[in-house]
Amino acid sequence: DAKTTQPTSMDCAEGRAANLPCNHSTISGNEYVYWYRQIHSQGPQYIIHGLKNNETNEMASLIITEDRKSSTLILPHATLRDTAVYYCIVVYNFNKFYFGSGTKLNVKP
Amino acid sequence: GAVVSQHPSRVICKSGTSVKIECRSLDFQATTMFWYRQFPKQSLMLMATSNEGSKATYEQGVEKDKFLINHASLTLSTLTVTSAHPEDSSFYICSAENSGRSNEQYFGPGTRLTVT
Repeated sequence: DAKTTQPTSMDCAEGRAANLPCNHSTISGNEYVYWYRQIHSQGPQYIIHGLKNNETNEMASLIITEDRKSSTLILPHATLRDTAVYYCIVVYNFNKFYFGSGTKLNVKP
Repeated sequence: GAVVSQHPSRVICKSGTSVKIECRSLDFQATTMFWYRQFPKQSLMLMATSNEGSKATYEQGVEKDKFLINHASLTLSTLTVTSAHPEDSSFYICSAENSGRSNEQYFGPGTRLTVT
């Protein structure tokens, strides 16, 4: 079962930062936090993952709280093409991914 | 970047027939692949873990005799939906774990199965 809680949907203005929260209060010490997104009728696309430290790549930044019970995915300059369902996944048990319901991000012009 | 392909992208079959879906890792080896199912407006549901050279492990509630998985090589896993029924119509997605980099998992584009 999914171990994460995310808001059902969020809106963001094009060009602004999109901050997507995720709660994973039961996370264990060796479990990673992964973020993927899915654009309609496509396979999920990897965005970023982390364990304890904040991470940044060309797509996004991942901020993990010190107690690791929550995290935030930041898309620094959202575009219309970032409209998708974003999944926060806590990965354990031989890298099995149990997807929650995700957040539908609507980027508006 | 790492690429995972699926074939076919769409398939329509008659009720009672079987259909095979292929999942290939194109530029890396994958000891482990995963199969998911996604119904409209729902999230992905993990069906099974496919291990090269050994039997697949299925999630609770997934019928192993109905969803046959074969992982005969380090780049290919197949899912066969046997005796398909309309309720098996769904979006089937595979993912492959890079054997050399176990924290990296890449998803295929999905296969839309419609059973008439």
